[in-house]
Amino acid sequence: EAEVAQSPRYKITEKSQAVAFWCDPISGHATLYWYRQILGQGPELLVQFQDESVVDDSQLPKDRFSAERLKGVDSTLKIQPAELGDSAMYLCASSSGTSGGPGELFFGEGSRLTVL
Amino acid sequence: GQNIDQPTEMTATEGAIVQINCTYQTSGFNGLFWYQQHAGEAPTFLSYNVLDGLEEKGRFSSFLSRSKGYSYLLLKELQMKDSASYLCAVDTGGFKTIFGAGTRLFVKA
Repeated sequence: EAEVAQSPRYKITEKSQAVAFWCDPISGHATLYWYRQILGQGPELLVQFQDESVVDDSQLPKDRFSAERLKGVDSTLKIQPAELGDSAMYLCASSSGTSGGPGELFFGEGSRLTVL
Repeated sequence: GQNIDQPTEMTATEGAIVQINCTYQTSGFNGLFWYQQHAGEAPTFLSYNVLDGLEEKGRFSSFLSRSKGYSYLLLKELQMKDSASYLCAVDTGGFKTIFGAGTRLFVKA
């Protein structure tokens, strides 16, 4: 069964360091999302791609966060410099969006970041 | 603004029925999702409602009233493995999905 791949599963870093997360969506899924989930809260959308284009990055803290999906397939989310408040689960999801809406989102296992 | 409200926690007994409510006020609405999330894991899809009414899928059913901005997830014959967070999420259009904070369900023996 096709899955969304994410790495690393766990990352521990010190504040002010750089961190990068990688996501490979389900083959053929044009829409890719990065969500941040703080413990006890729901996922918060950081950035949404349609193929290689950013559709929505209104909640992305652009002074320290960046995201790219250069060839419209896999994607990287970077944080530089990391801050204590960035400790969270970073979830990547993809959807085929063939029904005129986002359709079901398929999530990867997530990357849990701890900033010390 | 975007607002999705659901109870923070609920507790129910194994074998019982539980209803998790969700109210929403969003700038756009195409449909409503329910996802299940076990602790430390990624959310998994349960249901998607576009039209008003009840949709049943095994032990799980989901209801939507667009005019009232209201949905609920109904879980029957509760099992211990149903202990998880249940996330209400709105398809606001433009291939965008916004999530509520989730309801943590504890199933006790």
